[in-house]
This record gives sequence, structure tokens and C-alpha cells, in this order.
Amino acid sequence: GQNIDQPTEMTATEGAIVQINCTYQTSGFNGLFWYQQHAGEAPTFLSYNVLDGLEEKGRFSSFLSRSKGYSYLLLKELQMKDSASYLCAVKADFNKFYFGSGTKLNVKP
Amino acid sequence: SQTIHQWPATLVQPVGSPLSLECTVEGTSNPNLYWYRQAAGRGLQLLFYSVGIGQISSEVPQNLSASRPQDRQFILSSKKLLLSDSGFYLCAWGGTDNEKLFFGSGTQLSVL
Repeated sequence: GQNIDQPTEMTATEGAIVQINCTYQTSGFNGLFWYQQHAGEAPTFLSYNVLDGLEEKGRFSSFLSRSKGYSYLLLKELQMKDSASYLCAVKADFNKFYFGSGTKLNVKP
Repeated sequence: SQTIHQWPATLVQPVGSPLSLECTVEGTSNPNLYWYRQAAGRGLQLLFYSVGIGQISSEVPQNLSASRPQDRQFILSSKKLLLSDSGFYLCAWGGTDNEKLFFGSGTQLSVL
């Protein structure tokens, strides 16, 4: 089976940096994905990693270590609009995408 | 460009009533299609996965079924809804090369 863990909730201050961690145990790993979801809306794609290392996209970066089953999403220069849930997902078992429970990020002024 | 449509946006149904949610994808052919459910404040649970017409993979035993009568159409159904079927239902497709998921706008289902 698939096991994906991430913190339930985090709080950070506007303008700061926050790191959201994700650990996973899976069979047939084929990529690690991060999605953003605002309340009542569908998730939107942020980034993904297939190989080890850091991927940077503007204020968002994602890191992957396949040997450790570990990833993190780094958000820089936090803005109020970044308040949302962040979902870690693993592509595994031949093209299926499995999601963690999500981390609710609260950005305070 | 490719788009994914899902309807209705909200639905209130009594316990024991049937359900049919429809999802269609435009601008592509032979997409991988997915149905997810999200309980309040929780993550996404994979319900069904399809790689082609008539090909359905069920992830968890439940009160729901899925069908793919056409290449770009994916339908989620139930004969008799339970209270526990309430949730936010999301259809998704895997992109032109199934590299990442793109979601429909979702259906908020309340079973009363």
C-alpha cells in the first residue's frame, strides 16, 4: 500500500519562509507532486520531482530524496494569498496518484 | 487546449437515492481519468482509475461504481447513497502524457 505523511497544520508570518515536509512509503515510485488547494476549490498543480534534488519555480521550491522517502515544499516571501492547504502526492503503482492528508497553512500578517 | 468539465457543482441528495456524476475532457484523446473523494478537512482518496473505454480499476470497496462509456467521458454512480458518501468529489485527467493531474472543479455532495 501507499503511506504518505505530512503535518496537519502550520502557521507562518507574511514575508517569511516556510517548509512543509512530506514522507512517503510506496511501491513503484514514479514521482512526487505538490498541489495547492484553497477551501472549496479543486487542487492546482505546483511542482513535481522525479529525480533527487531541488526544483525551483519562482517563490516555490520542492526537494526530493528518494532514498529517504522524503520531500519538502519551500515557500518564500509568504503572501496572505498563500493561505491554503498543500497536498503531497506520489505517483506510483503504474500511473496512479496517491495523496497525503494535506497541510493547512495559515499565513498571518 | 485541453479542458476538463465536471458537473454539477453542488448536489443534495436523500439517503437511498441514486447518484450520477459526469466528467468530460476536451481537446485530447485516450486520457487517463480518475475519480477522487475528499472528506471535510481531509486528503484526496483515489476511488477509480481508467486507462480507456470500459477499463475501470477500483481502489477501495465501497458503495460507488464508475463507468467509461466513451473515450473522454467518466461517470461516477451509486444505486443507493449512504450518509458516508457525502464529500467533495473530484474528477481528474493525467495530462497528455499522464505526467501530472489536472482536476475538474469538483462536486460537493451532501447526503441527508
